[in-house]
Amino acid sequence: EVQLVESGGGLVQPGRSLRLSCAASGFTFDDYAMHWVRQAPGKGLEWVSGISWNSGSIGYADSVKGRFTISRDNAKNSLYLQMNSLRAEDTALYYCAKSSEWLVSGYFDLWGRGTLVTVSS
Amino acid sequence: EIVLTQSPGTLSLSPGERATLSCRASQSVSSSYLAWYQQKPGQAPRLLIYGASSRATGIPDRFSGSGSGTDFTLTISRLEPEDFAVYYCQQYGSSPGTFGGGTKVEIK
Repeated sequence: EVQLVESGGGLVQPGRSLRLSCAASGFTFDDYAMHWVRQAPGKGLEWVSGISWNSGSIGYADSVKGRFTISRDNAKNSLYLQMNSLRAEDTALYYCAKSSEWLVSGYFDLWGRGTLVTVSS
Repeated sequence: EIVLTQSPGTLSLSPGERATLSCRASQSVSSSYLAWYQQKPGQAPRLLIYGASSRATGIPDRFSGSGSGTDFTLTISRLEPEDFAVYYCQQYGSSPGTFGGGTKVEIK
């Protein structure tokens, strides 16, 4: 089955760290760029970060630049998001999304169900 | 960064009616790299349209996309009960890719 499954979310205090994971199956993972997109409660979609097929090209939203790090392990068909110095405004449902292309661009043709990150003291 | 503005914010229609959703970009979207997604409560977004007018796999033909440059439209020809949801546009021609704020299509 073609799917993406996120994990690693939870409740964390401001200033602390969290690492999200996304397990891919059913497609050739290393043929495609991958992205993280988040959605704050009751709000719209916000692109967070993207990584090309070979990790050669990476991009971040200004809101997370310098705090979040995206990475992938093609041997494990997995995508990661290391989130440091978390803020209350990072509270959101984090989706893993597959790009239509191998570069850090493209539309998102497959989404996971998301993992919830809550930043609160 | 390209800003996408969707209108209206909410569209109240009855099943069987036609829905017309607008997405306007702050600058031209290169090569019509514009996608539309549907999101129902408690679900992940689903790709409907890419390249401004190409339907994704399995999307019914009552959904159609059009436009170029800075003005794009998603049309649902006859609303089915399962079409009541929030719709987002996304441009992916310029980095960073950006989403519009969404249009909610609700039952009148």
